[in-house]
Amino acid sequence: QVQLQESGPGLVKPSETLSLTCTVSGASITSHYWSWIRQPPGKGLEWIGYIYYTGITNYNPSLKSRVSISVDTSRNQFSMKLSSVTAADTAVYYCARGAPSGDTWGQGTLVTVSS
Amino acid sequence: DVVMAQSPLSLPVTLGQPASISCRSSQSLVHSDGNTYLNWFRQRPGQSPRRLISKLSNRDSGVPDRFSGSGSGTDFTLKISRVEAEDVGVYYCMQGTHWPYTFGQGTKLEIK
Repeated sequence: QVQLQESGPGLVKPSETLSLTCTVSGASITSHYWSWIRQPPGKGLEWIGYIYYTGITNYNPSLKSRVSISVDTSRNQFSMKLSSVTAADTAVYYCARGAPSGDTWGQGTLVTVSS
Repeated sequence: DVVMAQSPLSLPVTLGQPASISCRSSQSLVHSDGNTYLNWFRQRPGQSPRRLISKLSNRDSGVPDRFSGSGSGTDFTLKISRVEAEDVGVYYCMQGTHWPYTFGQGTKLEIK
């Protein structure tokens, strides 16, 4: 059974960098695309970007200048960094398998941007 | 970006009755490879979204056959033949044909 688990700080200060990691179990990270998706409190869903294990990435143009996604095949993990965060980046961040399939999601982690 | 417009946004349904959610896209979702990358997700309160339907009409493993997806081009529908209590949640359509992938606003299904 495939499982994804997000980890990282729950509180980030404005202008700093948000860093999250997704640990994949039950599947090899070399076998699919892997995505990050976010959901501001009480709002809809936004696809942030995705990565293939070879390092191929694609980022949402709305975030492209601030986001980067990387993969660590030795740890079966992939990570996301979002720089220069503001309160508008407060959201539940999900990692998911696939792009565009999104067939399996992590439980999500709430990241609050506040001083 | 492709805009996904769902209706209704709120859907009160009596147990055992059918339900239908409409999703319209601002561009055709037919990909150059011939597939239509239209997915449906359900998000229960406090949970992450779960995919129900992929590529227009393919039910995911474990999804009851009372859920069905249909449509073409820019007009899509999720139907539940007989609503059960466990179906409560917010339903989202999502297009994966054009980057960036985008979601509808969500339809909240509740039991009357």
